[in-house]
Amino acid sequence: GAVVSQHPSWVICKSGTSVKIECRSLDFQATTMFWYRQFPKQSLMLMATSNEGSKATYEQGVEKDKFLINHASLTLSTLTVTSAHPEDSSFYICSARRLADEQFFGPGTRLTVL
Amino acid sequence: GENVEQHPSTLSVQEGDSAVIKCTYSDSASNYFPWYKQELGKRPQLIIDIRSNVGEKKDQRIAVTLNKTAKHFSLHITETQPEDSAVYFCAASGLGNEKLTFGTGTRLTIIP
Repeated sequence: GAVVSQHPSWVICKSGTSVKIECRSLDFQATTMFWYRQFPKQSLMLMATSNEGSKATYEQGVEKDKFLINHASLTLSTLTVTSAHPEDSSFYICSARRLADEQFFGPGTRLTVL
Repeated sequence: GENVEQHPSTLSVQEGDSAVIKCTYSDSASNYFPWYKQELGKRPQLIIDIRSNVGEKKDQRIAVTLNKTAKHFSLHITETQPEDSAVYFCAASGLGNEKLTFGTGTRLTIIP
């Protein structure tokens, strides 16, 4: 149990285009999902907290108009990187909160912006 | 907000020996402390966690200790094996605060 999937696993796009990443909890309902960004050899940095049916809460310094988050159902949250630039290249990981405080992570999406 | 410090950043241990990774946190309201193992290019995987009403928790070769007074917690891995080589992250979150604040990570290398 507690499986989280993420799609796509990797994506390469041109500068200026938008990329959508999906995060799904496959065998449980997640009222809260989280989006993280991880640069090489660094820790996970929380970008935003996503609650089903409400607006996401963004961390300080994260542009909400650039990183659009939608949490349409209890099993799906999406992150759209709008007008991507090379500095947005990173490993994006989602997590879903099941019971109490436990968070389970998706496999991550490696984004490369050319 | 919460701040989590983790030491050491790198750790090399002879196979069969024990490894200890330490974390300190700043928010006394934090009450949930998970540890994650992340292999290169993979997702972080929860390996053990502890809540503030418990001082120690053990799962086979892995144990976590918590000192609430000092606001620090530690991961102990005994009888280390090559497959224990990975990056380990500690994290903390508080009551009613769903966010996890992560430490900076420890790259553990087990020397055969």
